[in-house]
Amino acid sequence: QVQLVESGGGVVQPGGSLRLSCVASGFAFATYGMHWVRQVPGKGLEWIQFIRSDETEKQSADSVKGRFTISRDNSRNTLYLQMNSLSLEDTAVYYCTKNRDSVGSYAGPFDIWGQGTLVTVSS
Amino acid sequence: EVVLTQSPATLSLSPGERATLSCRASRSVSAYLAWYQQKPGQAPRLLIYDVFKRATGIPARFSGSGSGTDFTLTISSLEPEDFAVYYCQQRSGWPATFGQGTRLEIK
Repeated sequence: QVQLVESGGGVVQPGGSLRLSCVASGFAFATYGMHWVRQVPGKGLEWIQFIRSDETEKQSADSVKGRFTISRDNSRNTLYLQMNSLSLEDTAVYYCTKNRDSVGSYAGPFDIWGQGTLVTVSS
Repeated sequence: EVVLTQSPATLSLSPGERATLSCRASRSVSAYLAWYQQKPGQAPRLLIYDVFKRATGIPARFSGSGSGTDFTLTISSLEPEDFAVYYCQQRSGWPATFGQGTRLEIK
């Protein structure tokens, strides 16, 4: 079935780095724009980054610009999020999610979500 | 950045009642407005996109309406499984933004 599975979360010290992965299955990953959305426990949803299906366009929220980098490997059906210079405010559950419509540079809607991976920034 | 403001923050209703949730945008988002449902410990689920289109497998009791800056999600007759947090989201431009959520709780 259509599925996204995140991994790579954990505990990291302030200023540290972490790389998240999201493996897709059940759909033509290479034809869909993909996103990362995060959620501080008990709080709302925050969109953070987008990458077009062919990697020709990326978008980022100001809160992570210059620190986080989204990438993908279409041969491995995998989305990545490289997170550098982490701060306490980056503690959240990180979800990968896909655009409902293939190709294009759409900021949603997001029809399939992973289960999320928790990133905790703590000293 | 488009700011989405949802109201009320919390809505207390009983099963069988009608729920009306609102989402107001700081500027027009045309018809690029979606609604998501999130239950505790779960990822969000897409309910409605492009204002009124139901996502795959979403029951007909969920409906969306509105245009421009004012949007509504209506649940015609609440089922026990509908009590959750609901978020609106716009895709009219970058960055994509979400509302702060409406918690629908059992009265």
